[in-house]
Amino acid sequence: EVQLVQSGAEVKKPGESLKISCQGSGYTLTTYWIAWVRQMPGKGLEWMGIIYPDDSDTRYSPSFEGQVIITADKSTNTAYLQWSSLKASDTAMYYCARHRSSSSPDASDFWGQGTMVTVSS
Amino acid sequence: DIHMTQSPSSLSASVGDRVTITCRASQDISGWLAWYQQKPGKAPKSLIYAASSLESGVPSRFSGSGSGTDFTLTIASLQPEDFATYFCQQYHTYPLTFGGGTKVEIK
Repeated sequence: EVQLVQSGAEVKKPGESLKISCQGSGYTLTTYWIAWVRQMPGKGLEWMGIIYPDDSDTRYSPSFEGQVIITADKSTNTAYLQWSSLKASDTAMYYCARHRSSSSPDASDFWGQGTMVTVSS
Repeated sequence: DIHMTQSPSSLSASVGDRVTITCRASQDISGWLAWYQQKPGKAPKSLIYAASSLESGVPSRFSGSGSGTDFTLTIASLQPEDFATYFCQQYHTYPLTFGGGTKVEIK
């Protein structure tokens, strides 16, 4: 069974750094693109970027480029989303999602359960 | 970026109703469109890809159609578990973009 399991909720202060994770199981993570999607409270879905774990090829939405870094660790079947300096406006639910194939771009078929990030002083 | 416009933003319907949601792309995306369902407090669930192909396990009352710039998601006979928010997404061009969502509420 394909599963994407994300790390737990985080509460941080502005200016702090953070790295959240998305671990795949039931399939080989390296052969599928993994996307990150933001959902601010009460709002819609925003596509942030994707990574191909096998070679770490990464694409970012212009809205998020320079604001976050997407990485992956093939050895642990895990993708990451990280911030070097959080802002209150980063408060949101973050989802990872697997693309349906190794083709790029593609739709997503499996989603993680989400990681809630709260940034508050 | 390709802008995706969904309509309506919300609708009220009864169990058994036929429901249609529209998604319009700001440029031709061929058939590279997906639909997702999201229930409150839950992660999105994939319903349809390639405009009209159902994901495994998705009930046949869901269907998708369209190509180019205009697409529809139809629920043939609304069931209680279908009350949720629905999002379209284009995957023709980076950055991938979502529509604003359509909330389907109980009348």
